[in-house]
Amino acid sequence: KAGVTQTPRYLIKTRGQQVTLSCSPISGHRSVSWYQQTPGQGLQFLFEYFSETQRNKGNFPGRFSGRQFSNSRSEMNVSTLELGDSALYLCASSLTGRETEAFFGQGTRLTVV
Amino acid sequence: DAKTTQPPSMDCAEGRAANLPCNHSTISGNEYVYWYRQIHSQGPQYIIHGLKNNETNEMASLIITEDRKSSTLILPHATLRDTAVYYCIVRVGANAGKSTFGDGTTLTVKP
Repeated sequence: KAGVTQTPRYLIKTRGQQVTLSCSPISGHRSVSWYQQTPGQGLQFLFEYFSETQRNKGNFPGRFSGRQFSNSRSEMNVSTLELGDSALYLCASSLTGRETEAFFGQGTRLTVV
Repeated sequence: DAKTTQPPSMDCAEGRAANLPCNHSTISGNEYVYWYRQIHSQGPQYIIHGLKNNETNEMASLIITEDRKSSTLILPHATLRDTAVYYCIVRVGANAGKSTFGDGTTLTVKP
């Protein structure tokens, strides 16, 4: 079956703009988590959605938000982009978020200029 | 989730076993040890996990010490394609998505 799909793969935005990233989980998976990966900070947890509700949240400012749709697809939005938001954004899906394994997508590489 | 400590880098000769250590001295009784790896610019890939007992699958073996304060991931016959960053994380079984990844170990397999 198809894996976790993230779109777009690459994105270039200007400071101050906003951006929306998309994640389609594996069919049947209802939990989607988002991560930010930067060379200096490593892989950091942003938030987790399950059944259209945010269930867990990492330590990021309110400019980072997300949502999940009834088909489990998830989007994350970053408003008022800063240069430091340049990163690889990854999403991971699992059946309920309580399994032992989460499957990651290939990520979206966001560059803020 | 408990904090883990891994060496920043390791080298291994192709065809030899790669032994990657991880310290997790503050692990709780209900926390599992998980290993993921990330090949450059791709998403992390699950390798193996365990609670108390040693585990083996088609990719690797996981050896957990009796006091559970450290573990070792073993790639029995490393290939060039195993060159990646390896992450050791500990977490409870629930909230599989909420994983805190440290800096990991960059394993370089050399011919």
